[in-house]
Amino acid sequence: AQSVTQPDIHITVSEGASLELRCNYSYGATPYLFWYVQSPGQGLQLLLKYFSGDTLVQGIKGFEAEFKRSQSSFNLRKPSVHWSDAAEYFCAVGRNRDDKIIFGKGTRLHILP
Amino acid sequence: GAGVSQTPSNKVTEKGKYVELRCDPISGHTALYWYRQSLGQGPEFLIYFQGTGAADDSGLPNDRFFAVRPEGSVSTLKIQRTERGDSAVYLCASSMGNGPDTQYFGPGTRLTVL
Repeated sequence: AQSVTQPDIHITVSEGASLELRCNYSYGATPYLFWYVQSPGQGLQLLLKYFSGDTLVQGIKGFEAEFKRSQSSFNLRKPSVHWSDAAEYFCAVGRNRDDKIIFGKGTRLHILP
Repeated sequence: GAGVSQTPSNKVTEKGKYVELRCDPISGHTALYWYRQSLGQGPEFLIYFQGTGAADDSGLPNDRFFAVRPEGSVSTLKIQRTERGDSAVYLCASSMGNGPDTQYFGPGTRLTVL
């Protein structure tokens, strides 16, 4: 069965600092991988996705993620965070193109001014 | 165009009552998903429709939960004999359903069972 682990429940970084949110997945074949962001009172918004091809994917709002098959990881990065990036971030994995998505428990990002 | 809409945005009910939650997907999207998000958790899959039929209902927790999508568009999630443990945000998502694609999420319905 698929599973997703986000080892950090909370992360605090200073505005302007770099960010890396960790995600590890468990799945036997090549997964479909996603990062979603959820701001207070907002719905889930897709930041980026990996289906195949280049293992470094670019997303919206300056985010990127790298798929590393050998480490079963799909970590999210941003070179310089903004106060508006404070939100909850969810990594997710799917088996097939239209299948259900299994979400991690999320990482809440706090930004210090 | 319009995104996924869900009604009501909030629902408060008493233990033992019946509730219906509605999802209106993006026009033209054939795939529709229901998830449940409890406090401090990630969304948890409930059921997935491809057209009118439930392609995967393995996430429904028990037979009190049921969902329909009779015309392949709007879907209703129905919960009978609600319990306090059913309190959560119920999320709906839709996708094109014809290839690798993104699921677009609605704002959710917050269900509170007293």
